[in-house]
Formats: sequence, C-alpha cells, structure tokens
Amino acid sequence: GEDVEQSLFLSVREGDSSVINCTYTDSSSTYLYWYKQEPGAGLQLLTYIFSNMDMKQDQRLTVLLNKKDKHLSLRIADTQTGDSAIYFCAENQAGTALIFGKGTTLSVSS
Amino acid sequence: EAGVAQSPRYKIIEKRQSVAFWCNPISGHATLYWYQQILGQGPKLLIQFQNNGVVDDSQLPKDRFSAERLKGVDSTLKIQPAKLEDSAVYLCASSQEPMRNTIYFGEGSWLTVV
Repeated sequence: GEDVEQSLFLSVREGDSSVINCTYTDSSSTYLYWYKQEPGAGLQLLTYIFSNMDMKQDQRLTVLLNKKDKHLSLRIADTQTGDSAIYFCAENQAGTALIFGKGTTLSVSS
Repeated sequence: EAGVAQSPRYKIIEKRQSVAFWCNPISGHATLYWYQQILGQGPKLLIQFQNNGVVDDSQLPKDRFSAERLKGVDSTLKIQPAKLEDSAVYLCASSQEPMRNTIYFGEGSWLTVV
C-alpha cells in the first residue's frame, strides 16, 4: 500500500537553511505537498508540486522532487523562529484523499 | 474568504459516551473530508464526500463512527460509543472539486476520551 516516510526531528539555528526530506512509495502519485502545522492549529498548505516537475520555488521555499527515487524535499532558506512547527509531506492522485507522513518537527533556535 | 469552520474546538468525554463534530466547508467547495490525527502521527482519512454522496469511507470504523452531509454543504461526524483510542484531533477539509489539488483544512476539533 501507499506509505510516506519522514524523519521525525530537525533542529537548526536561525538564519540557516532547513531541509526536510520525505520518501513515498506510490509511483502513481500525481501531486506531492508540504503542509505546516503550528501547535494547536490545523494544517496550512505551504506548497505542492506536480509529479512531472523537478523543482518548484516559492519565496523562501524550494521543493525538489526526484521521481526516480520517490524522494521529495523542502528547503526553507533563512529559517526564522516562526518557522518552528511540524511539517507534513503528503501525496495523492487527482481526486483522491491525501496520504500523509508522520511529520517532521522543525525546531529553530535563535 | 472564510476558511473551513469546525466546532467544538475542544471536547472531553468519558468512554462509552457519544460526541458530534460539525464542519462548514469553504463556500462553493463540493468535496469535504474528515481526517483523524492521533498525537504524533499524520492525519488519516476517515471519509470523503462529493456534494452529499460518499466517495470513500473505507477507513471509517462504521461500528462507532458515522458522518453525514445531507444538503451537500456542512457535515457532522459522530462517534458513539467513544473509546479511549478515539482521542485525537478531528480535522475537516474541503476542496473546490475532486480534481483540484488545493485542499484546505480547518483548525480541528480536539477530542479527549477519559
């Protein structure tokens, strides 16, 4: 069945770059997503990438997709303390529900 | 644009009691999802509606969970009777149509079963 794996924790210093990694198993995934969840809050869609793309950049966020290895990464440039949160990788095919990883907790220290 | 609204935000009940959660999706969104997020895990789909019809309820524990979306707008998720392992955040999400890839989440309803 489908599975999405993420490392559980990442700790960085303010101003550094953060890279959060994700692997997935469903080769028929059409879209891959990154969601952010702050304490006590719901999920906020950060960005998504279509499976025929290799890279997508949106301000401080860069998403890289290696479809051959089924590997997705999210790079946050100039990480700020406000970026501290849990980041979820998710995938789906068009029209189907999202399948999420367990989330990566990003801790940013000043 | 108003987001996905959920209520109540927090609920504490005893095991074997019942609870209901309400969701109002973003206006015009035909697809509505209920997800369960247990502490330390990613959200898992319970049920997906398209208008007032069920698209996927394969992971809904139907012996105790039920959901409806009678008029194709807001939705109710019910748990009866609750078990300790139902303690979780229940997230409602909506999208404009199934083929759209932007799915918006509400802030969740936090359930503690004691």
